[in-house]
Amino acid sequence: GQQVMQIPQYQHVQEGEDFTTYCNSSTTLSNIQWYKQRPGGHPVFLIQLVKSGEVKKQKRLTFQFGEAKKNSSLHITATQTTDVGTYFCAGYLSGTYKYIFGTGTRLKVLA
Amino acid sequence: DVKVTQSSRYLVKRTGEKVFLECVQDMDHENMFWYRQDPGLGLRLIYFSYDVKMKEKGDIPEGYSVSREKKERFSLILESASTNQTSMYLCASRVWRTSSYEQYFGPGTRLTVT
Repeated sequence: GQQVMQIPQYQHVQEGEDFTTYCNSSTTLSNIQWYKQRPGGHPVFLIQLVKSGEVKKQKRLTFQFGEAKKNSSLHITATQTTDVGTYFCAGYLSGTYKYIFGTGTRLKVLA
Repeated sequence: DVKVTQSSRYLVKRTGEKVFLECVQDMDHENMFWYRQDPGLGLRLIYFSYDVKMKEKGDIPEGYSVSREKKERFSLILESASTNQTSMYLCASRVWRTSSYEQYFGPGTRLTVT
């Protein structure tokens, strides 16, 4: 079946280091959305990418959608303790209304 | 601000019990969803509803049913709870904004079935 995998599953970084999570779909996606879930909280919508090769920035966060629209990445520059949480990608399979979440990457930032 | 509320944050039930999880949203959204979240598996869609009295199966509907009698309320029902239904349950509602759908999640219900 269709799958959206994220790597790594867990990542521990020192505060100030950069962090990247990768999202890979077995099927082309019409768009990709990213969510952040703080420990004990619920997923919160961050951003959406639609176009092939699109890059968007939100302060220290850079989001990229692959040319083939099957993968995406989220890069955080100079992590802070407030970045702690699980980051999920999600997207609609092209030509369908089926919306799938990635497996998530759990980020821990050590002060 | 969109608000999605769920009836309980924590719930403990016995095997075989009928369990009701309630979700209410206050923004008149037509689309509502129930997910379960398990470590390493991400969020998996159980059921969704595009409108009142409409329901569609998601990826893992077995052992669950839903009810949407009013637009603001979407209920998830575990007909006979089993231990493999121990999980975090997240409700969401969705709205179209500019060029995309945005989903808003409730705080979640952590259900333990013993």
